[in-house]
Amino acid sequence: ETGVTQTPRHLVMGMTNKKSLKCEQHLGHNAMYWYKQSAKKPLELMFVYNFKEQTENNSVPSRFSPECPNSSHLFLHLHTLQPEDSALYLCASSQGRSGLAAQETQYFGPGTRLLVL
Amino acid sequence: AQTVTQSQPEMSVQEAETVTLSCTYDTSESDYYLFWYKQPPSRQMILVIRQEAYKQQNATENRFSVNFQKAAKSFSLKISDSQLGDAAMYFCAYLSRRATNKLIFGTGTLLAVQP
Repeated sequence: ETGVTQTPRHLVMGMTNKKSLKCEQHLGHNAMYWYKQSAKKPLELMFVYNFKEQTENNSVPSRFSPECPNSSHLFLHLHTLQPEDSALYLCASSQGRSGLAAQETQYFGPGTRLLVL
Repeated sequence: AQTVTQSQPEMSVQEAETVTLSCTYDTSESDYYLFWYKQPPSRQMILVIRQEAYKQQNATENRFSVNFQKAAKSFSLKISDSQLGDAAMYFCAYLSRRATNKLIFGTGTLLAVQP
């Protein structure tokens, strides 16, 4: 248990559906992240939020829409996804910019396994 | 752009033996962090060990230790007295001090532990 939770753990959706992934961290961190993990590929950073402000959008298609209402919660809204979007979506958090390795370390949630039909 | 390479897609070790996982990285920077993460079949990514590039001393955490060779840009993970619970995918990752939100991962090494 890393202090980062994600719901749902599994999700099956059609290409016309709208769904949301939720992430919550109980670590008092200020930065939160969304990653996509596909088989045989390195983890891909999607979005970064620092103090609720989006500071990174790694050329992610607009069918993925993040939302960070506060430093503890992060959402990923999904709509009109494609089958190639099927993957494990990981949320992570870190203390934030400090120059110290311990506070820059990212802690991950268990992930949401997404299948797009 | 920085890259991280894990050249061993799969490794196997006997229980109680020692195994070393390889990681190399490419960067022009001198100040950065390196990490090893473990992802068991349950899929939760767990931090194993971390190293600050300015520290010459290799990091250790119980049975886990690293061999950090800055000039060679190498960061291998040694697991001593391997246990069945060590079976997992292991990821090496790089984090620049200048872009501290961008954690760059390798493709991972799948470690099997044989009883």
